[in-house]
Amino acid sequence: EDKVVQSPLSLVVHEGDTVTLNCSYEVTNFRSLLWYKQEKKAPTFLFMLTSSGIEKKSGRLSSILDKKELFSILNITATQTGDSAVYLCAVEDGGTSYGKLTFGQGTILTVHP
Amino acid sequence: DAGITQSPRHKVTETGTPVTLRCHQTENHRYMYWYRQDPGHGLRLIHYSYGVKDTDKGEVSDGYSVSRSKTEDFLLTLESATSSQTSVYFCAISESWTLSEKLFFGSGTQLSVL
Repeated sequence: EDKVVQSPLSLVVHEGDTVTLNCSYEVTNFRSLLWYKQEKKAPTFLFMLTSSGIEKKSGRLSSILDKKELFSILNITATQTGDSAVYLCAVEDGGTSYGKLTFGQGTILTVHP
Repeated sequence: DAGITQSPRHKVTETGTPVTLRCHQTENHRYMYWYRQDPGHGLRLIHYSYGVKDTDKGEVSDGYSVSRSKTEDFLLTLESATSSQTSVYFCAISESWTLSEKLFFGSGTQLSVL
């Protein structure tokens, strides 16, 4: 059974701090790992990491994938109040006939002014 | 934003009543999914569809059924709602079965079963 565990479950920081969110996983047939940001409504896509793309960066956000140790981290530098959200990690199992995603519980990030 | 509309946005119902949630897309995507989101569990797949009249079960399908009579509509039915089905329900769509980053979510339906 595929499994994704995120840590910490919640985090409170002040603007300007740097945060690191963790995601460890077990999956039968790894295809990709995805990070989403969820602000009250629909999750929105941040990054996809695969065997051929183990590091991604977009502005203050960056993510790496360690396929050997089966984990990923999401870094956010110089945090802003707009970064407050739930961050979801998911792994895609490529051994199925559909896009099977297994999600972690999410990390609730709160950024205070 | 991807054209996905979920209805209703909020619903309160009583135990034992049937409930139908609707997902409508304007993207003409082949794949559609229903997830539920609960504290401590993240998002879990209920059912998915890979074409008109083609559906299959996800990991938490008990108590739910789905139908897809048109490409654009995917209905989720709770035959006899229970309090354990109180949750936020998200519809998602994708163009390909290899999801990559092309999975788009609707805004969700908050369902409360009393």
